[in-house]
Amino acid sequence: EVRVVESGGGLIQPGGSLRLSCAASGFTVSTHCMSWVRQAPGKGLEWVSVTYGGNTYYGDSLKGRVSISRDNSKNTLSLQMNSLRAEDTAVYYCVSYIVRHPYWGQGTLVTVSS
Amino acid sequence: ELVLTQSPGTLSLSPGERATLSCRASQDISSTYLAWYQQKPGQAPRLLIYDTSIRATGISDRFSGSGSGTDFTLTISRLEPEDFAVYYCQQYGISLLTFGGGTQVEIK
Repeated sequence: EVRVVESGGGLIQPGGSLRLSCAASGFTVSTHCMSWVRQAPGKGLEWVSVTYGGNTYYGDSLKGRVSISRDNSKNTLSLQMNSLRAEDTAVYYCVSYIVRHPYWGQGTLVTVSS
Repeated sequence: ELVLTQSPGTLSLSPGERATLSCRASQDISSTYLAWYQQKPGQAPRLLIYDTSIRATGISDRFSGSGSGTDFTLTISRLEPEDFAVYYCQQYGISLLTFGGGTQVEIK
């Protein structure tokens, strides 16, 4: 069974850094398209980053402040976020795409506040 | 930049009625990378349809997807009380990932 589980969210002060993790099971992260999507309170869905085929791309909202990476030995995907702002407060979802079928986790909440 | 425009923004219908939701792309996209999601408050998005018209596992056949090129549609044949929610379309084949702004289906 394909499953992704996010972790690492929490309360962080403005300007701080946070690393989110996505643990995958039922497939290999190194060979599939993986992405991070976020949703601010009361807002729509917004893609943050995607990686596939050795390429990595970032959405405009976090570009320059975020880095996506894979740990093939642990079969995990990570999102390193720096210089966080109040507007980065959101639920962050890990999404895998396997044979064109998206699989979502339940999300992890990141709250940026002093 | 590829943009997905969903319409209407809000759809007010009664249980038992048919719902037709639209997702229009600003350029031609591959129909194999178009998905629809349902989201209820406090929950993660739930995949309904992928590849434009393939229902995800466990999804009622009241939900159907269609379209090609720039125009895509999600149809709910007969609304049940649990269907009142927000619906999003997503493309994941061209210009990276894009989401529509959502359509809220509310009880009339």
